[in-house]
Amino acid sequence: AQTVTQSQPEMSVQEAETVTLSCTYDTSESDYYLFWYKQPPSRQMILVIRQEAYKQQNATENRFSVNFQKAAKSFSLKISDSQLGDAAMYFCAYRTYTSGTYKYIFGTGTRLKVLA
Amino acid sequence: SQTIHQWPATLVQPVGSPLSLECTVEGTSNPNLYWYRQAAGRGLQLLFYSVGIGQISSEVPQNLSASRPQDRQFILSSKKLLLSDSGFYLCAWRSGQGYHEQYFGPGTRLTVT
Repeated sequence: AQTVTQSQPEMSVQEAETVTLSCTYDTSESDYYLFWYKQPPSRQMILVIRQEAYKQQNATENRFSVNFQKAAKSFSLKISDSQLGDAAMYFCAYRTYTSGTYKYIFGTGTRLKVLA
Repeated sequence: SQTIHQWPATLVQPVGSPLSLECTVEGTSNPNLYWYRQAAGRGLQLLFYSVGIGQISSEVPQNLSASRPQDRQFILSSKKLLLSDSGFYLCAWRSGQGYHEQYFGPGTRLTVT
């Protein structure tokens, strides 16, 4: 079964600095999707970025980018020029196809604190 | 554009009382729908998913059930709540037409007393 591991329960970053959140996963599939979601204090889950496993190029969305290492099964999120509004829980997720539908497996999350 | 609604936003219920949480999606048809529970400080646990009207799959045996009476409506229910049912419940949808990510509703905070 697929698993997603986020080994950093909490991270801190100074405003305007760069921070990297780690995520590793375990799978025997060759084609899949990976995602990072942000959950601010409102608890609304917001999609930050996605990565297709068949694409070698790392995804980027403005200040957010990923470092996707398929062989190592690693999918880290880099936040550049951190802002106070980036403070949130960040969840890594893996999408798998099973039993006739797509399911999403989430890590336990990393709480990011942004220091002014 | 698509939107997803959940209600109520907050609910406090006594042990042994029934539960009904509702989720509706607008702006899409035949979505895949999901119910998750998030315990305090934890990740998301998939409870149920549905690929169509009346089609419900359960991920974990528990005190809860789900139904999908209409294409864009997903309901989470319980006949008798337990203390362990407390948590944050999230509904999510995914388009069945080639999109890859899930989109989440605002969630319902349930406290069982």
